[in-house]
Amino acid sequence: EDKVVQSPLSLVVHEGDTVTLNCSYEVTNFRSLLWYKQEKKAPTFLFMLTSSGIEKKSGRLSSILDKKELFSILNITATQTGDSAVYLCAVETYDSWGKLQFGAGTQVVVTP
Amino acid sequence: EAQVTQNPRYLITVTGKKLTVTCSQNMNHEYMSWYRQDPGLGLRQIYYSMNVEVTDKGDVPEGYKVSRKEKRNFPLILESPSPNQTSLYFCASSFSGGSYEQYFGPGTRLTVT
Repeated sequence: EDKVVQSPLSLVVHEGDTVTLNCSYEVTNFRSLLWYKQEKKAPTFLFMLTSSGIEKKSGRLSSILDKKELFSILNITATQTGDSAVYLCAVETYDSWGKLQFGAGTQVVVTP
Repeated sequence: EAQVTQNPRYLITVTGKKLTVTCSQNMNHEYMSWYRQDPGLGLRQIYYSMNVEVTDKGDVPEGYKVSRKEKRNFPLILESPSPNQTSLYFCASSFSGGSYEQYFGPGTRLTVT
């Protein structure tokens, strides 16, 4: 059975800290891994990763995929209170194109 | 403005009373999908559609129906709602499939008593 597991489930950091979120997966015929940010509303897209070792970057956020060890990391540097959100990862496979399996999410709280 | 709209945004209903949640996108996207979100469980996919007249089950399709007769619309139908379908529902669309950026609707909070 396909599985997507995010860790930690929640964390609290101070402004300025660096945060590292993990998404590990066990799926057949992996196609892509996606990261979304969800504040108190609908999720918004952050990154899509398909290749190992290639870092995607957007401002203070970055993400990388390791297809050998089957995980991805989302890093947030110099955190701000606006980074407080639930971060979701999702995996799509070639066997079930269009079907997305999401992890349970990581709740990040950034305190001033 | 490019967007995904859902209606209603909030709904309280009773067990067994059929309801439809509408979803519409104005971006000419091929792919549309429905999710439910429950505390501690993240997003779970109910149904998705790769194109008009093509729909497939996600992880939790039981108790739901969908149809995709037009590209822009993807309604979610609960024929006989039950209390365990109380949840927050999101519709989303993308250019083509799950590996493209999905645009989410604002959500529909459904309570079944």
